[in-house]
Amino acid sequence: EDQVTQSPEALRLQEGESSSLNCSYTVSGLRGLFWYRQDPGKGPEFLFTLYSAGEEKEKERLKATLTKKESFLHITAPKPEDSATYLCAVQARREYGNKLVFGAGTILRVKS
Amino acid sequence: DTAVSQTPKYLVTQMGNDKSIKCEQNLGHDTMYWYKQDSKKFLKIMFSYNNKELIINETVPNRFSPKSPDKAHLNLHINSLELGDSAVYFCASSPLDRDSPLHFGNGTRLTVT
Repeated sequence: EDQVTQSPEALRLQEGESSSLNCSYTVSGLRGLFWYRQDPGKGPEFLFTLYSAGEEKEKERLKATLTKKESFLHITAPKPEDSATYLCAVQARREYGNKLVFGAGTILRVKS
Repeated sequence: DTAVSQTPKYLVTQMGNDKSIKCEQNLGHDTMYWYKQDSKKFLKIMFSYNNKELIINETVPNRFSPKSPDKAHLNLHINSLELGDSAVYFCASSPLDRDSPLHFGNGTRLTVT
């Protein structure tokens, strides 16, 4: 069974304090790994898709990386507006349709 | 312009009732989904429709019945509601391409008392 485990469950940072979120996954044939951001009372918002080990993608203060067993979301010099829950999800190659298996997320709080 | 919209945003009802949640997308996508987010925050897929055809049907009680009148709409009807059905239900859409990211609505918080 495909599984996604995210750590830590919650992370508090001071503004400007860089850190990383972890997403460990088990999937039989990875097609893609997705990162989403979810604000309270809102639906998840797409950030990145990674397909193969060694791949990296960046967007503003966020950089996502992928290995064969895990993905990291690096946050450089975060700002309070980066506070949100960050969700990781995997899609297996065998699955028909766009089925994603999500982790429970990491709640990030950035204080000014 | 709201891309994926769900109604209602909040739904409070009693056990045994029947209720529906509506979803509409104006992105021109072929595929729509229902996901359930439980109290532990896990998002789990329930159903997926492509051009009104059911393509994903996870292990969901048959009290839950999706209906897609056209490719821009996917409604979720729930019969005989139970306490355990309390959760946030998210509608999403995407192009059929399996690599395409999902676009989510803002959810419907269902509370069964």
